Amino acid sequence: ETGVTQTPRHLVMGMTNKKSLKCEQHLGHNAMYWYKQSAKKPLELMFVYSLEERVENNSVPSRFSPECPNSSHLFLHLHTLQPEDSALYLCASSQDPDSSGANVLTFGAGSRLTVL
Amino acid sequence: AQSVSQHNHHVILSEAASLELGCNYSYGGTVNLFWYVQYPGQHLQLLLKYFSGDPLVKGIKGFEAEFIKSKFSFNLRKPSVQWSDTAEYFCAVNAYSGYALNFGKGTSLLVTP
Repeated sequence: ETGVTQTPRHLVMGMTNKKSLKCEQHLGHNAMYWYKQSAKKPLELMFVYSLEERVENNSVPSRFSPECPNSSHLFLHLHTLQPEDSALYLCASSQDPDSSGANVLTFGAGSRLTVL
Repeated sequence: AQSVSQHNHHVILSEAASLELGCNYSYGGTVNLFWYVQYPGQHLQLLLKYFSGDPLVKGIKGFEAEFIKSKFSFNLRKPSVQWSDTAEYFCAVNAYSGYALNFGKGTSLLVTP
């Protein structure tokens, strides 16, 4: 257990479904992240929130909708996904970059998404 | 934009062999550098990091990495690998005071008995 918990661990959905991924961190961090991990590709940063405000959004299709109600919880709402969206979705948290300019991400185990 | 390049995608070694995994990045400013490891079926874990100071950093499980600024490199090394080191290794970079951590494609390491 890393201190970052993701649910569900596995999700299968059709292209017309609406589902959500949930992430909770128990580390007292200020920032939370969604990454997408696909085979043979680098981890792709999707969204970053700091103190519930979005600080980065990397040209992610609108069928992915993040929500950060507080600094401990992060959601990824999924709607009308495509089969190519099948991947492992990783949540991470960190402190804000400190006075030395550094921050270290702690990752959850991921939610394995399959879109049929 | 930053990019991270890992030279070896698949490495197979026998136990007790020495390991070096290459990582180069492209970014003109001050950076923070990381190696993460993902053991089979497990989450990404921090192996080691470099923020400033001594360019030779030591991490968990006997791993070390050397930051060579002139070469934009941060290669990972271990003198003698074990079967339990079988995993995927990711190099990552973020800009000073930045949130985004940019990853390489990863290197899959298989250590045979």
